Amino acid sequence: DAGVTQSPTHLIKTRGQHVTLRCSPISGHKSVSWYQQVLGQGPQFIFQYYEKEERGRGNFPDRFSARQFPNYSSELNVNALLLGDSALYLCASNPAGAPGQPQHFGDGTRLSIL
Amino acid sequence: GESVGLHLPTLSVQEGDNSIINCAYSNSASDYFIWYKQESGKGPQFIIDIRSNMDKRQGQRVTVLLNKTVKHLSLQIAATQPGDSAVYFCAENEDSGYALNFGKGTSLLVTP
Repeated sequence: DAGVTQSPTHLIKTRGQHVTLRCSPISGHKSVSWYQQVLGQGPQFIFQYYEKEERGRGNFPDRFSARQFPNYSSELNVNALLLGDSALYLCASNPAGAPGQPQHFGDGTRLSIL
Repeated sequence: GESVGLHLPTLSVQEGDNSIINCAYSNSASDYFIWYKQESGKGPQFIIDIRSNMDKRQGQRVTVLLNKTVKHLSLQIAATQPGDSAVYFCAENEDSGYALNFGKGTSLLVTP
């Protein structure tokens, strides 16, 4: 079975632009979470979605938004990009998104802001 | 604020030796802990997890130990192999929360 897939793998944008990142969860998984990983740091939680509803949100500004579709895939949108948004954006899925379950990660989208 | 942290940023071991990677946490409400391995250019890969009602859990060549008294977690890798070279993260989760809170990571280098 395919794991979590993310697209694109790499992206270069300039300050002020917006970006949309995409994620397809493992088949059968209904929950998707997004994380930001800055170079040299551990991933930081951005959002979790389950059954198209936002369940949790990390300490990120309103420029960050997401949604989940009926097929459980998800998009992460970032507006008014800043240099500090340069990072690896990771998507993770698990069956129901309940606490105390392992989350399975994709290989991420590397976003570079010029 | 409360956070998960790692004692050592880098660890170098010889092939065939056992490796121990340590992690401290400060959140008393943490009740689920998980270890991930991240290779260069890839996402974190699940290794093993443990709940707060357990002290020890074993997998294939890996063991996780949890000491709730001192809020300490460790990952032991037996007979370390070159393929084990990666950055290892511990993460924690509260029963009431959906986020995994990660530490900064320990880089494990296995030398022949």
